[in-house]
Amino acid sequence: GENVEQHPSTLSVQEGDSAVIKCTYSDSASNYFPWYKQELGKGPQLIIDIRSNVGEKKDQRIAVTLNKTAKHFSLHITETQPEDSAVYFCVPKGGNTPLVFGKGTRLSVIA
Amino acid sequence: GAGVSQSPSNKVTEKGKDVELRCDPISGHTALYWYRQSLGQGLEFLIYFQGNSAPDKSGLPSDRFSAERTGGSVSTLTIQRTQQEDSAVYLCASSWDTSGEKLFFGSGTQLSVL
Repeated sequence: GENVEQHPSTLSVQEGDSAVIKCTYSDSASNYFPWYKQELGKGPQLIIDIRSNVGEKKDQRIAVTLNKTAKHFSLHITETQPEDSAVYFCVPKGGNTPLVFGKGTRLSVIA
Repeated sequence: GAGVSQSPSNKVTEKGKDVELRCDPISGHTALYWYRQSLGQGLEFLIYFQGNSAPDKSGLPSDRFSAERTGGSVSTLTIQRTQQEDSAVYLCASSWDTSGEKLFFGSGTQLSVL
């Protein structure tokens, strides 16, 4: 099965700084790479995703980059704001198996 | 409703009692998923439905756990003879297709077994 690692497990940044979370995976059949954000007391929410035929995707302050050769993809958040504080999950997927969530990365944005 | 609705939002029960958790998916979504999240942990997959059938029940922790979905819409997760280790947040998600991508989650049911 897929072996997924996220780094770091916790991250603190000053408001306005950038944050980067990296995800490595093992299954070369993975072809869909989403990031979910979970705020306190809520379920995870899809914030951005990318497919294996694309190297980068941006949506306002967030971006995802994919290096399929090295089997890693990263979430980039620029100009961080307190409302970005949450747990972020990378959930690489191939085939029709259900999404497998790890422990995620806890991001704290300090005002 | 506009999103996935779960009820109750909180449930406190005594060890040994049965509980039933409800999930109302987004209208038109054919796939429905149940996950469990213990404090500070990731999400543990339990079961998913495609329509009313459950192709994958591999994540159910024991035979005390069961789930059903009727009419391709509402789903209930039942835990019989609850144990303290069942305490967790139970999350439901739905998706419009069979790919398992782009899940929409509810806010979960916080289950506490005393």
